[in-house]
Amino acid sequence: KAGVTQTPRYLIKTRGQQVTLSCSPISGHRSVSWYQQTPGQGLQFLFEYFSETQRNKGNFPGRFSGRQFSNSRSEMNVSTLELGDSALYLCASSKKRDRGPVSTDTQYFGPGTRLTVL
Amino acid sequence: GDSVTQMEGPVTLSEEAFLTINCTYTATGYPSLFWYVQYPGEGLQLLLKATKADDKGSNKGFEATYRKETTSFHLEKGSVQVSDSAVYFCALIPPIYNQGGKLIFGQGTELSVKP
Repeated sequence: KAGVTQTPRYLIKTRGQQVTLSCSPISGHRSVSWYQQTPGQGLQFLFEYFSETQRNKGNFPGRFSGRQFSNSRSEMNVSTLELGDSALYLCASSKKRDRGPVSTDTQYFGPGTRLTVL
Repeated sequence: GDSVTQMEGPVTLSEEAFLTINCTYTATGYPSLFWYVQYPGEGLQLLLKATKADDKGSNKGFEATYRKETTSFHLEKGSVQVSDSAVYFCALIPPIYNQGGKLIFGQGTELSVKP
């Protein structure tokens, strides 16, 4: 079974531009989460999508947005790029989003998109 | 709020040495706990998980036990190999329903194993 794929793997942009990153989850997985990884802040949750709806959002400015399509593929967009947006952006998929009080569903990560903002 | 604290790295060991990476957490209720590993230039791979108190997760010789009384989930391996060199992340998913999809990570511990 193919894993989570992310495209592109590397991106170089300049300040003020916008960027769109893509994530294809594992076949049959319906939940997609996005994370930002930087040396200073570590791994931080951006948002989660399930059935084309954003179910949870981290503490990031509105410049960061995302969406999910009916085939569960997801995109995230960052507008008006800043130098501090340079990071590895990781996407993770899981089969479903548990309805109970404790989520045990495992998230499987893609290789990430390395974004450099100049 | 919910958080995870890991021992600081880098940790440098000789091959076949015993490994412990400490992880403690703060959360209301019973979170699910995870260890992920990241090799250079790659994304995260799930190493093991535990979903309730006293559960032991294990994989590839690594083990961790969910200790509610000490709010800990320490990672151990009896004999490390050079190929275990990587960054290890402890993480939790909060038990609150609306936080179900949100992994909260520790800062990561870099492990370097020398031959």
